[in-house]
Amino acid sequence: EIVLTQSPATLSLSPGERVTLSCRASQSVGNYLAWYQHKPGQAPRLLIYDASNRATGIPARFSGSGSGTDFTLTISSLEPEDFAVYYCQQRTTWPPLCSFGQGTKLEIK
Amino acid sequence: VTLKESGPALVKPTQTLTLTCTFSGFSLSTTGMRVSWIRQPPGKALEWLARIDWGDDKFYSTSLKTRLTISKDTSKNQVVLTMTNMDPVDTATYYCARGISAATAETGFDYWGQGTLVTVSS
Repeated sequence: EIVLTQSPATLSLSPGERVTLSCRASQSVGNYLAWYQHKPGQAPRLLIYDASNRATGIPARFSGSGSGTDFTLTISSLEPEDFAVYYCQQRTTWPPLCSFGQGTKLEIK
Repeated sequence: VTLKESGPALVKPTQTLTLTCTFSGFSLSTTGMRVSWIRQPPGKALEWLARIDWGDDKFYSTSLKTRLTISKDTSKNQVVLTMTNMDPVDTATYYCARGISAATAETGFDYWGQGTLVTVSS
């Protein structure tokens, strides 16, 4: 089973700052990686699919990069609505089994 | 596209949980379509449970596969998940979600239900 490790667990930042979140896989997942934003009481929101593609309607300040075992989600300039928990998710090639990282909580400083 | 989960809010330990995902805006008979179940225990991370594809292929979490069954009713636009031998640690919000539908996309869930909280307690 592939384990995703996200770092840091918590990040305290101010609006306007740039942030990079990390997700490391225990073995290569190619580019089969997605990122989500999750706010309390809401469904998770897909931000990035296949490592670097923004999902429909996602602002350009969100970007994803990486392949293999190391991935990053970058928010170029934090908006107040960006403070949330962020998860990465992978799927294996075949069978297509999925797993999520433990999440990074982005909080307002 | 919308998805909505339904099922009991409370189950007793050892009972079987049955959850239904009713969706609209797409068909699970369309090539490439797939629906997964994902859960989140209170204060914990998301956990993928199972997936069913348009061709009726089924995939399960390695750690839970002996307890899970996923099925679909294409005519009703529904996906059903059953989980046997429920335990208090299975208390969670259960979500259904659609596998991303984009030309070359492979990884991601693009539409989610709002989730349903299931509490396991005697």
